[in-house]
Amino acid sequence: GQNIDQPTEMTATEGAIVQINCTYQTSGFNGLFWYQQHAGEAPTFLSYNVLDGLEEKGRFSSFLSRSKGYSYLLLKELQMKDSASYLCAVLDSNYQLIWGAGTKLIIKP
Amino acid sequence: ETGVTQTPRHLVMGMTNKKSLKCEQHLGHNAMYWYKQSAKKPLELMFVYNFKEQTENNSVPSRFSPECPNSSHLFLHLHTLQPEDSALYLCASSQEGTNTGELFFGEGSRLTVL
Repeated sequence: GQNIDQPTEMTATEGAIVQINCTYQTSGFNGLFWYQQHAGEAPTFLSYNVLDGLEEKGRFSSFLSRSKGYSYLLLKELQMKDSASYLCAVLDSNYQLIWGAGTKLIIKP
Repeated sequence: ETGVTQTPRHLVMGMTNKKSLKCEQHLGHNAMYWYKQSAKKPLELMFVYNFKEQTENNSVPSRFSPECPNSSHLFLHLHTLQPEDSALYLCASSQEGTNTGELFFGEGSRLTVL
C-alpha cells in the first residue's frame, strides 16, 4: 500500500528553527508537495520538489531525497503566524496525490 | 482569497435532509476536485472532474452525488447522510497539463450530521 508518514504534532519557540519530516512509500514518484493550512482556512501551496536537494523560498526550505523516500520542511525565524498544520503529499506514478495526515505546528512565545 | 469559493462554510443537517455544497473557481482552471478532511486523517479524494467530465470516483457512497455543470462550478449533493460523514469538505481546482499540478483549495464547508 501507499503511505505517507509525518509527525502528528510539533512545538517550537518563536524565533527558532523547526524541521518537519515526511517519509513516503508510494508506487512511483512524480513530485512531493508541502501545503500549509491554518485552522479554519484553505490549504495553501508552499513548495514542490521533484529532484533531490534543497529548495529555498524565504524563511521556508524543502528538501528531498528520492532514494530515501524522505523530505523535510524547514522553517526558520519562526513567527506566531506559522502556527498551522503542514501537509505533505506525493504524486505517484499515476499522478494521484497521496496525502499525509498533516503535522500540527504550535509556536510558543 | 485563493480564487476558490465554497458555500456554505458551515452546515448542520439531519440524516434525512437533502442539501448541497457549492464550489466556484475564478482561476480559469480545467480540473476540479472534492476532498473530505477528517481530524488527524489524510485528505481523502472523493471526485475529480476534468473539463466537466468525471474522471475519478474513489468508491464514494451514493449518498454523495457530484455535479459539474461547467468548468467553473462544482456541486456536492448530499442526502441521507450518516454521522460519520461529518467532516470538512474541501473543493480544489488545478490546471491539468502544468508541471506541478498545484492545487488551489477553497476554505471548505464544515458539515455536521446529527
